[in-house]
Parts: sequence; structure tokens; C-alpha cells
Amino acid sequence: GEDVEQSLFLSVREGDSSVINCTYTDSSSTYLYWYKQEPGAGLQLLTYIFSNMDMKQDQRLTVLLNKKDKHLSLRIADTQTGDSAIYFCAENGPTGGSYIPTFGRGTSLIVHP
Amino acid sequence: DVKVTQSSRYLVKRTGEKVFLECVQDMDHENMFWYRQDPGLGLRLIYFSYDVKMKEKGDIPEGYSVSREKKERFSLILESASTNQTSMYLCASSLRQGPYEQYFGPGTRLTVT
Repeated sequence: GEDVEQSLFLSVREGDSSVINCTYTDSSSTYLYWYKQEPGAGLQLLTYIFSNMDMKQDQRLTVLLNKKDKHLSLRIADTQTGDSAIYFCAENGPTGGSYIPTFGRGTSLIVHP
Repeated sequence: DVKVTQSSRYLVKRTGEKVFLECVQDMDHENMFWYRQDPGLGLRLIYFSYDVKMKEKGDIPEGYSVSREKKERFSLILESASTNQTSMYLCASSLRQGPYEQYFGPGTRLTVT
């Protein structure tokens, strides 16, 4: 079945760039997503990328997709303490039904001064 | 702005009690979902619904049931709560067309003693 893998923790210094990585197995994924979960809250969609795109940029966020290697990354420029959260990678594909995403286990981003 | 609300932020129940978790969305979304989130396990899908009165089992439906009598409301029912159902419960909704992004409620932290 499909699987989405991401590392559990990432620690960065305030002002540096953060790069959160994700790999997935379903080659027929149509959309890939990044969600953010702040402490005690639900998930919030940050951005998504369509599978025929290589890159998407939105202010401080850059998403890179390497479809050949099934690798997705999220770069946060000029990381701030308010970016401390859990970041979930997710993908949609026909395997799970187009509208049922498969989530990774989340990467906890810790930003220290 | 899409709003997904959940009836309680925190809930404490006793073993054997019947528990109702309510979720309401205000954007006329066809799809609604119930997840539970546990440390180290990420999000696991309990049930989802793609239309009124329709429901489908997710990955971990045992011990749970759901009800969707109106499009905007999706209820999760624990018929006889057990301590291993202590968890964070997240409700989400989405449209039935791409990009299928999910909108989450704030979550209900349920403790069963």
C-alpha cells in the first residue's frame, strides 16, 4: 500500500532556512500537500502542489517535487519562532481514493533563538 | 473562510460510557472525516462520509460508529468508551473535487478513565 515517510524532528536557528523532507511510494499521486499543526490545534493546509509541477513558491515557502525519486520537500526561508510546529506531508492518489489523503507521521520543527 | 467546529476541546469520560463527538462545517463540503492522532502514530482515519447518510470505514473503525444525518454535521460515537480510546480526535471536511484539500477542526482531546 501507499506510504509517506518523513523524519520526526528538525531543529534550526531563528533566521536560518528549514528544509523538511518527505518521500512517498504511490507513483500515481495527483496532489501532494503540506499541513502545519500548531500546539493544541488542528491541521492547517500550508500549500499543495500538483504532480505535474516541479516547484511552487508562496512567500517564504518553497515546495520542490522530484517525481522520479518520489521526494517532496518544504523549505521555509528566514525561519521564525512562530514556525515551530508539526509539519505533515500528505499525498492523494487513486489507491486511497482521490479525496482520502495519506499522511506522514509529521516532522516537529523546533526553532531556537 | 471555511470553518470546522468540534463540540468540545476537552472531554473526560469514564470507561463504559457512551460518548458523542460532534463536528460541524459551514462550507457545504461533501466529504467529512474523523481521525485520531496519537504521539508517534500520526493521523489514523476512523471513518469518512462522502454524502448524507453515507459512511465508509477507515483504517481503525473498531469501537467507533458515525452518523451523518445532515450535510454539515458528522458525529463520531464511542458506544462503550475504553481507556485505549484516550486520544486527540480531529474532524476534517473537503470538497469532492480537486485539489481535495482538507479543512480541520481544532480537535477534541478525550480522556477515558
